Amino acid sequence: DAKTTQPNSMESNEEEPVHLPCNHSTISGTDYIHWYRQLPSQGPEYVIHGLTSNVNNRMASLAIAEDRKSSTLILHRATLRDAAVYYCIRRGQGGSEKLVFGKGTKLTVNP
Amino acid sequence: DAGVIQSPRHEVTEMGQEVTLRCKPISGHNSLFWYRQTMMRGLELLIYFNNNVPIDDSGMPEDRFSAKMPNASFSTLKIQPSEPRDSAVYFCASSSSRGLVHEQYFGPGTRLTVT
Repeated sequence: DAKTTQPNSMESNEEEPVHLPCNHSTISGTDYIHWYRQLPSQGPEYVIHGLTSNVNNRMASLAIAEDRKSSTLILHRATLRDAAVYYCIRRGQGGSEKLVFGKGTKLTVNP
Repeated sequence: DAGVIQSPRHEVTEMGQEVTLRCKPISGHNSLFWYRQTMMRGLELLIYFNNNVPIDDSGMPEDRFSAKMPNASFSTLKIQPSEPRDSAVYFCASSSSRGLVHEQYFGPGTRLTVT
């Protein structure tokens, strides 16, 4: 049970921002939110993670709702290389290192 | 940095044969994970090791599957005997459990076809 809900697919145009939503309404206070993506024919790769505050890195930004029941991964300017399946994952702090992958959101980027 | 190395990249075998998949984690990482990905079931964790010790093997499908990690730089996933339903892409990932993030780095995968 992935315990997160994401849309099956989304589309974007190249060089436009993309907002990928994730619902995690049953998240506990110590669960981190991790995002991974899987490019075609490759293994998943880490994108970003956060707990309560919004986070930025070179790949993306993560906006976390104040009640932590949802979050949004933001790609500021989509490129064709960003076409992938994006997974939103809850991960508890401490204890098991397991990541439970759901079906994710398949992002299509149009030229 | 060579990343996680998996071999072979592709394996085609006949039903009933033994299959061994190999993984070399990133140097310095102390956790190693084996995943399987199919269209039907998505990406599922089979087993993971921490400091060479199996921690959670609840995802291993059945006794035909076994995994070992004899040292910090090598792990194997063995299927004996193999069946057509084992056809999938098998990923190995590694991470360091010493920090807070535990970011997992995935290998390129082994595509297994059992005929």
